[in-house]
Amino acid sequence: GAVVSQHPSRVICKSGTSVKIECRSLDFQATTMFWYRQFPKQSLMLMATSNEGSKATYEQGVEKDKFLINHASLTLSTLTVTSAHPEDSSFYICSASVTGTAKLFFGSGTQLSVL
Amino acid sequence: DAKTTQPPSMDCAEGRAANLPCNHSTISGNEYVYWYRQIHSQGPQYIIHGLKNNETNEMASLIITEDRKSSTLILPHATLRDTAVYYCIVRVARSGGGADGLTFGKGTHLIIQP
Repeated sequence: GAVVSQHPSRVICKSGTSVKIECRSLDFQATTMFWYRQFPKQSLMLMATSNEGSKATYEQGVEKDKFLINHASLTLSTLTVTSAHPEDSSFYICSASVTGTAKLFFGSGTQLSVL
Repeated sequence: DAKTTQPPSMDCAEGRAANLPCNHSTISGNEYVYWYRQIHSQGPQYIIHGLKNNETNEMASLIITEDRKSSTLILPHATLRDTAVYYCIVRVARSGGGADGLTFGKGTHLIIQP
């Protein structure tokens, strides 16, 4: 199956700093990638849809200026959490679809802890 | 996308078949049933999907009732590594790729007992 690589797997940062998370499709091109957030013991919540070469579409309640998404190529999307605060601590997961199918493949997730 | 209802948790003995139910009584004619699972602290993993016919792959079988209002995911010989949260999701399949993100409910926490 298709492989989605997400990096880093875990990051700890100080409050007020910015953190970048990378999501790569290793063996396929992904026109669309998705970013999710998951708090402990809760389900995944879609944050935004990232389309290659265009602006991301954010779900209601997600601050686009805080969660910057860049999808500059068909194999790479990045999520930057700007001026992170402790309430941003969460498990962030990216996913991508293979063109021509409706299946989504997920990265292994990034655990962000903001001190 | 149609709403789904799953039991919050289930236990199954190792080596036995695990049968996970899902109700989707408001499913539309062009909506597929997808199953994903999430092992603790990992990203979700695709398992199987179907429209109206029963489906089988190397991981599981999917049984969809004739009226399509419910389905059952079957793991034929459960192992300890199958302990995970299983999500049943109903959505329209887009031939051009996943133009829409999946909406996850709370899923079923399947615990395989040794």
